[in-house]
Amino acid sequence: GESVGLHLPTLSVQEGDNSIINCAYSNSASDYFIWYKQESGKGPQFIIDIRSNMDKRQGQRVTVLLNKTVKHLSLQIAATQPGDSAVYFCAENIGENSGTYKYIFGTGTRLKVLA
Amino acid sequence: IAGITQAPTSQILAAGRRMTLRCTQDMRHNAMYWYRQDLGLGLRLIHYSNTAGTTGKGEVPDGYSVSRANTDDFPLTLASAVPSQTSVYFCASSERIGNSPLHFGNGTRLTVT
Repeated sequence: GESVGLHLPTLSVQEGDNSIINCAYSNSASDYFIWYKQESGKGPQFIIDIRSNMDKRQGQRVTVLLNKTVKHLSLQIAATQPGDSAVYFCAENIGENSGTYKYIFGTGTRLKVLA
Repeated sequence: IAGITQAPTSQILAAGRRMTLRCTQDMRHNAMYWYRQDLGLGLRLIHYSNTAGTTGKGEVPDGYSVSRANTDDFPLTLASAVPSQTSVYFCASSERIGNSPLHFGNGTRLTVT
């Protein structure tokens, strides 16, 4: 889930298991969502996105689920690998047609993959 | 490799000094952004640009300025640095403003002493 204060929540997963990272978003008007991966010393890297007219989208080893009723987003990583260790955070954007620049970013969850 | 290039990678700057962080993209994206990332906080938008020749203020614009003379370059200037501007700065771009994924550079780590 999202972090509070200075300490990121940490999810520890055994290599080969599936990971589920959660995000509660803030605005019911948000209609576009992105998951990012950030490794230490690097910039955020795009993983997958989803629009509000969908409730599920799959990529390579990743699935994003969107529950608009409870404003919840999750990222599922299948067969987690050591290279998946990173901080993951979600972003929401308001308004396909509003032309707004405004993305709201979560503070993230640290994923640790145990060998 | 296509993407965003930021320079410098890191910098230690005395308070009161002027500094320009450079950002160049080669994806021909219309929109560009500057964010700062601080411990315990999500990325916060400083300034953005919808297209070459236009800029706008984000959430935390005070003490920063930007320009967008062409599509590829989007420099961020700190006119007179203060310690509270110590942060990691990320430049990003997207094909268009809104509902388009942001692509980030690897950041500039700035320490103001």
